[in-house]
Amino acid sequence: GQQLNQSPQSMFIQEGEDVSMNCTSSSIFNTWLWYKQEPGEGPVLLIALYKAGELTSNGRLTAQFGITRKDSFLNISASIPSDVGIYFCVGGAQKLVFGQGTRLTINP
Amino acid sequence: GAGVSQSPRYKVTKRGQDVALRCDPISGHVSLYWYRQALGQGPEFLTYFNYEAQQDKSGLPNDRFSAERPEGSISTLTIQRTEQRDSAMYRCASSLGGSGSVKQFFGPGTRLTVL
Repeated sequence: GQQLNQSPQSMFIQEGEDVSMNCTSSSIFNTWLWYKQEPGEGPVLLIALYKAGELTSNGRLTAQFGITRKDSFLNISASIPSDVGIYFCVGGAQKLVFGQGTRLTINP
Repeated sequence: GAGVSQSPRYKVTKRGQDVALRCDPISGHVSLYWYRQALGQGPEFLTYFNYEAQQDKSGLPNDRFSAERPEGSISTLTIQRTEQRDSAMYRCASSLGGSGSVKQFFGPGTRLTVL
């Protein structure tokens, strides 16, 4: 089946640092999404990407839909404590395929 | 309520019992999805509905799992003759449908523990 490979699996950074994570797939996706999950909560949608090459920002977050439609990256600038959580890259439309997540930890 | 709600939030059952998990989607959302999330993993698709019609059930693990949405609103995921391997977080999501389907809003989940 379709699989998404996220890297890194975990990140330990200092507050104020920029963060970069990416995701690759063996299959083409026509839509890429990035979700964030905090402990005890359901995933929350951060950014949706609909076209190859698309670059979209949401506040301090920026994500891009790769030209090949097989990859995407997410950048977070000037990290703050509330950025802590697990970030999932997701491909698909109705039937979403989730990556295994990148766990972000921030040292104050 | 404003978001997707699920009940119960926690369910502990004994192996062999049947369980029913409920999802109440965001008002007006046409599409409803069920996912299962194991600890440390991302959610995995189980099934989804547009209105009352089940569109895709390819992610249901076996025939002990079934779902319904008889009136196109609330949905129930039923697991018959539960097994320990069924223990997981079960998440429901809803979306507007059509071109808005990619933006799925997730509920808090039901944590199922099978003893």
